[in-house]
Amino acid sequence: DQQVKQNSPSLSVQEGRISILNCDYTNSMFDYFLWYKKYPAEGPTFLISISSIKDKNEDGRFTVFLNKSAKHLSLHIVPSQPGDSAVYFCAARITGTASKLTFGTGTRLQVTL
Amino acid sequence: DTGVSQNPRHKITKRGQNVTFRCDPISEHNRLYWYRQTLGQGPEFLTYFQNEAQLEKSRLLSDRFSAERPKGSFSTLEIQRTEQGDSAMYLCASSLGVLETQYFGPGTRLLVL
Repeated sequence: DQQVKQNSPSLSVQEGRISILNCDYTNSMFDYFLWYKKYPAEGPTFLISISSIKDKNEDGRFTVFLNKSAKHLSLHIVPSQPGDSAVYFCAARITGTASKLTFGTGTRLQVTL
Repeated sequence: DTGVSQNPRHKITKRGQNVTFRCDPISEHNRLYWYRQTLGQGPEFLTYFQNEAQLEKSRLLSDRFSAERPKGSFSTLEIQRTEQGDSAMYLCASSLGVLETQYFGPGTRLLVL
């Protein structure tokens, strides 16, 4: 049962343009969402997060949007840079005793020159 | 470097052997998580500790797996009688508390021949 889904396995974007990565979830109990970036042979690196009480959070070039009614979130990267090329994971948690993360399967972003 | 560290980074073993991985969390982080990532998937939760107490274990964690965090600092994950299906990246993460972001280590890649 995949509770967090990233339906696009890969995305290619030109340098300087906007990258939009999407994520859908099914568990309405999730109340906090995170995006991680992962380079090969490294662990996931935290990028940005959003609480379910908000619909937008911005940090520099990264903005996360949350649509609770659609159970959908997206990560916007503007402008995209070659160093952004990596696998991006969406994760969700139910804040509580464990606060364990449930991850999507990832989207590989390639930013081309 | 004050991030999460994991050792070894790579481990190749023969089926039936025991292996042990170590995770050193960020100093003063009282929560420590173990995840497993297989090819094409996102990380999946295995278990977590608050200080030295192991508070939850996933059903993915069979009886062959055992984790400890003896003094509430570093943690070890042992797999007994390894099977080829245990081949994966084992990730450790730590956080300051239940509401805080989890920061991941570089992972230990296990290959069982």
